[in-house]
Amino acid sequence: EPEVTQTPSHQVTQMGQEVILRCVPISNHLYFYWYRQILGQKVEFLVSFYNNEISEKSEIFDDQFSVERPDGSNFTLKIRSTKLEDSAMYFCASSEVGGGALNEQFFGPGTRLTVL
Amino acid sequence: AQKVTQAQTEISVVEKEDVTLDCVYETRDTTYYLFWYKQPPSGELVFLIRRNSFDEQNEISGRYSWNFQKSTSSFNFTITASQVVDSAVYFCALSAYSGAGSYQLTFGKGTKLSVIP
Repeated sequence: EPEVTQTPSHQVTQMGQEVILRCVPISNHLYFYWYRQILGQKVEFLVSFYNNEISEKSEIFDDQFSVERPDGSNFTLKIRSTKLEDSAMYFCASSEVGGGALNEQFFGPGTRLTVL
Repeated sequence: AQKVTQAQTEISVVEKEDVTLDCVYETRDTTYYLFWYKQPPSGELVFLIRRNSFDEQNEISGRYSWNFQKSTSSFNFTITASQVVDSAVYFCALSAYSGAGSYQLTFGKGTKLSVIP
């Protein structure tokens, strides 16, 4: 069964460093998402991406964040200069379509980011 | 704006008891989708069910059942004869057209279910 994969599973970094979180969505999916979950809290939407551009972003997704689909299979989230409060689980998701009957978002296993 | 409220923060039940997890949502859209996800201690999000706003039929899948009531904007989840493996955090989520081309999921804060043997 096709699945969304994410690497690494756990990333530890120093404050101020850049990190890139990687995701491989399901191959025939067209919509891609990043969500964040701070430990013990709810899952929050960061950004959606379609047709090689951001379709929507939340207020969390400030200039420190960027997304890219560099090669047609990977979907990356870059945090330019990490802060302590960026420590969280980051989930990538993909869906076949944006809305309608096939809009189920399939989630990857997550990358736990720890900023020291 | 979309909003999902899960008023129960934590619930503990003894194994084999039935338990209902509440979910209330808010949206101005007439077309929307409701979801339940399970997050076990390992951290991944496991999809359980999706309902669209036009289908108010209740659904049963094994020990799981869902009650969708548009009149009260609720989408409650019942586990019958709970088992220790049901211990997890359960999230209710809403997907509606945001007007900007995407159907982002809005999650509730989750209900932590502990099933005691």
